[in-house]
Amino acid sequence: DTAVSQTPKYLVTQMGNDKSIKCEQNLGHDTMYWYKQDSKKFLKIMFSYNNKELIINETVPNRFSPKSPDKAHLNLHINSLELGDSAVYFCASSQALDQPQHFGDGTRLSIL
Amino acid sequence: GQNIDQPTEMTATEGAIVQINCTYQTSGFNGLFWYQQHAGEAPTFLSYNVLDGLEEKGRFSSFLSRSKGYSYLLLKELQMKDSASYLCAVPGSARQLTFGSGTQLTVLP
Repeated sequence: DTAVSQTPKYLVTQMGNDKSIKCEQNLGHDTMYWYKQDSKKFLKIMFSYNNKELIINETVPNRFSPKSPDKAHLNLHINSLELGDSAVYFCASSQALDQPQHFGDGTRLSIL
Repeated sequence: GQNIDQPTEMTATEGAIVQINCTYQTSGFNGLFWYQQHAGEAPTFLSYNVLDGLEEKGRFSSFLSRSKGYSYLLLKELQMKDSASYLCAVPGSARQLTFGSGTQLTVLP
């Protein structure tokens, strides 16, 4: 069984659209994360969500919003997509910050 | 905040040993992680060091010196499949993990 699954794997859309990426973990972890990996392969934290506490990286535009219907899910909603949003987005989860994070396979977002 | 430095690229030969260094600056140390990421795939956990010294796990070992703000990942008996990016990461005061830019290791036959 997949531990952290995210959908879709590929997302191609036009500038200005709104899109969502879904993430689910079946590990029973308390904390979930969203990362952005750009073309230079730099992996940057966007959000972490623990027991209804959201920690936002200050550099993330407010067009990005995480939504957590329950502990096992943390979806990423993006409004008014821009060219610079093209990247691979990874969801991850861990039991705590000092515990290993398990990553999903990534969503490759391309903005036309 | 956190600052992490690691070499951008390294090349080594199959069967050899390679050491990937990582230096970090962080306010409040809470351990250091190493992750491996193959091209087009997700990062996978390799090791976690919170105390000084060497931790060995099969062909891979990780070393930490907290006083020097320094860690290294040692890969022995290199195999072609070890060609990947190796990411050093430290938890920060904002309870988020900060990754280094990664070291792209190429193993040559």
